[in-house]
Amino acid sequence: GAGVSQTPSNKVTEKGKYVELRCDPISGHTALYWYRQSLGQGPEFLIYFQGTGAADDSGLPNDRFFAVRPEGSVSTLKIQRTERGDSAVYLCASSQLAGTYNEQFFGPGTRLTVL
Amino acid sequence: AQSVAQPEDQVNVAEGNPLTVKCTYSVSGNPYLFWYVQYPNRGLQFLLKYITGDNLVKGSYGFEAEFNKSQTSFHLKKPSALVSDSALYFCAVRGYSTLTFGKGTMLLVSP
Repeated sequence: GAGVSQTPSNKVTEKGKYVELRCDPISGHTALYWYRQSLGQGPEFLIYFQGTGAADDSGLPNDRFFAVRPEGSVSTLKIQRTERGDSAVYLCASSQLAGTYNEQFFGPGTRLTVL
Repeated sequence: AQSVAQPEDQVNVAEGNPLTVKCTYSVSGNPYLFWYVQYPNRGLQFLLKYITGDNLVKGSYGFEAEFNKSQTSFHLKKPSALVSDSALYFCAVRGYSTLTFGKGTMLLVSP
């Protein structure tokens, strides 16, 4: 596609429920990133994939958060037992290659609200 | 650890006037610096980056940024602001795999 797409654009769930957020990167981009943006803050890194494997998951806040990219394209961020503090905008980005020089292209984000 | 500071929550400027949005950074090693803009309900859009070379970097929509190593700054500038420039601006520093963002500066350009 022309850009990074994310679905759903908005997700409202109840505390304790499980949610999945989907990211479809730019075609041909091998690197994929997830960030979380809380209100009034800049995006914070969660996890990064190079191909199918998670190359760096140091930003995941705890083991309730998990992400996959089984075929090296679409990625799903999974959150178990959601808490109100998980409410944020979840941003996905992709870049042609990993590495310092490559700018990341961001999707519009999924706004998650946990009631 | 790398970090970025944007000391201003909001910058107000009149249309046609020059604008500056401030950013300072802290890294070990060479800094790789980026500016992104975020419009309401839209994703971050890349504006420009500094990797090496000329300290004045030109980017999209008439924006430019000046890299100053001695002051560890990377301020975003535009000679003549437009009302349509009103948005949230983020400075970021790049490690190998991650971007570390500042908290953002809201730019408001009045007609």
